[in-house]
Amino acid sequence: EAGVAQSPRYKIIEKRQSVAFWCNPISGHATLYWYQQILGQGPKLLIQFQNNGVVDDSQLPKDRFSAERLKGVDSTLKIQPAKLEDSAVYLCASSLGYFSYEQYFGPGTRLTVT
Amino acid sequence: KQEVTQIPAALSVPEGENLVLNCSFTDSAIYNLQWFRQDPGKGLTSLLLIQSSQREQTSGRLNASLDKSSGRSTLYIAASQPGDSATYLCAVYAGGTSYGKLTFGQGTILTVHP
Repeated sequence: EAGVAQSPRYKIIEKRQSVAFWCNPISGHATLYWYQQILGQGPKLLIQFQNNGVVDDSQLPKDRFSAERLKGVDSTLKIQPAKLEDSAVYLCASSLGYFSYEQYFGPGTRLTVT
Repeated sequence: KQEVTQIPAALSVPEGENLVLNCSFTDSAIYNLQWFRQDPGKGLTSLLLIQSSQREQTSGRLNASLDKSSGRSTLYIAASQPGDSATYLCAVYAGGTSYGKLTFGQGTILTVHP
């Protein structure tokens, strides 16, 4: 069974530029999560989708971050404009959802903002 | 608000030692608890998931225990090896209205030297 796929793996941008990350969850998984992991910290949930609807985006900085999940499968996370403090690893995870919640994580995208 | 704390923040041991990593959480109304491993520049690898009705789980040289009433979990690693060097993350799944939401600790950085 294929795991959660993410791209790109690494990205370096200058502050005030925009960037987008892509995630393809495990086939059949209804729930998709985006996490931000700053160096030395545990991952922090940014947004959770159930199919193509948003369940929780309470910790998403909506003035600069946006996310969508097209047709309830793939998802993109965008940052515009980026700030230095956005440098982090962005992790995508998926779960079956409903009565099976165990989350499976992708390899992450390491973003460096200079 | 759930808070997860891991002690120690870093640990360096010689090969062959048995060791214990600690995790505590403030809200005992959790659904389940999961231990992850994270290698540098990589995503999260699930090690053990303990369901709320269980007291412990074992996989090879790893044993994790859960005491919900006291808000504690421990990860025991027997006969440590240099390949065990990584960051170990504890995460709790919320119950109730936040069903399935995952809150992470900040991690324990483990170094096993030959």
